[in-house]
Amino acid sequence: NAGVTQTPKFQVLKTGQSMTLQCAQDMNHEYMSWYRQDPGMGLRLIHYSVGAGITDQGEVPNGYNVSRSTTEDFPLRLLSAAPSQTSVYFCASSTGTGEAFFGQGTRLTVV
Amino acid sequence: GDSVTQMEGPVTLSEEAFLTINCTYTATGYPSLFWYVQYPGEGLQLLLKATKADDKGSNKGFEATYRKETTSFHLEKGSVQVSDSAVYFCAISGSARQLTFGSGTQLTVLP
Repeated sequence: NAGVTQTPKFQVLKTGQSMTLQCAQDMNHEYMSWYRQDPGMGLRLIHYSVGAGITDQGEVPNGYNVSRSTTEDFPLRLLSAAPSQTSVYFCASSTGTGEAFFGQGTRLTVV
Repeated sequence: GDSVTQMEGPVTLSEEAFLTINCTYTATGYPSLFWYVQYPGEGLQLLLKATKADDKGSNKGFEATYRKETTSFHLEKGSVQVSDSAVYFCAISGSARQLTFGSGTQLTVLP
């Protein structure tokens, strides 16, 4: 049972570089989300999707882009990395009743 | 917008002690309520949930009751174990199943 798979697990970027964090789920959930986790701040919502072709912004969307071309995949793009984007990123997919399944996370460092 | 206020940590208890972690929320409508747990180096896992007023969620000895009148969802366990050491997050679910989290409570249980 794969569940939610995130890649890579670790990444170091230089300021100004771009990259894509991958997220894939095999549970056929319509709802998917991206969060970032920073010390003392819990998890904050970056972007979310309610189905293929439909995305919306969360609490902290600036500097990030998403698309949802299939039910399974929900990649997160960093357009021009900044040190403030150093964080742990979690992807989640959710059932219709709101129960979320999380990936193992991507630890990103921007230098 | 929606918000969750969670008891600040860290919390340190001896094995077999009683645990309470307070959680209150602000939201429009009647959200579903959740407690998630995060073990070191891992993603979040659902611990328990409640979807309507007066529901009691329970799992692994943990319990929480959806209190609409006080907008609260406090987590309790009668006798904690060393293996319960983790970070606990209270969360509420929005209309698109996106989650709003509290800041998390670090629990350490000493033998």
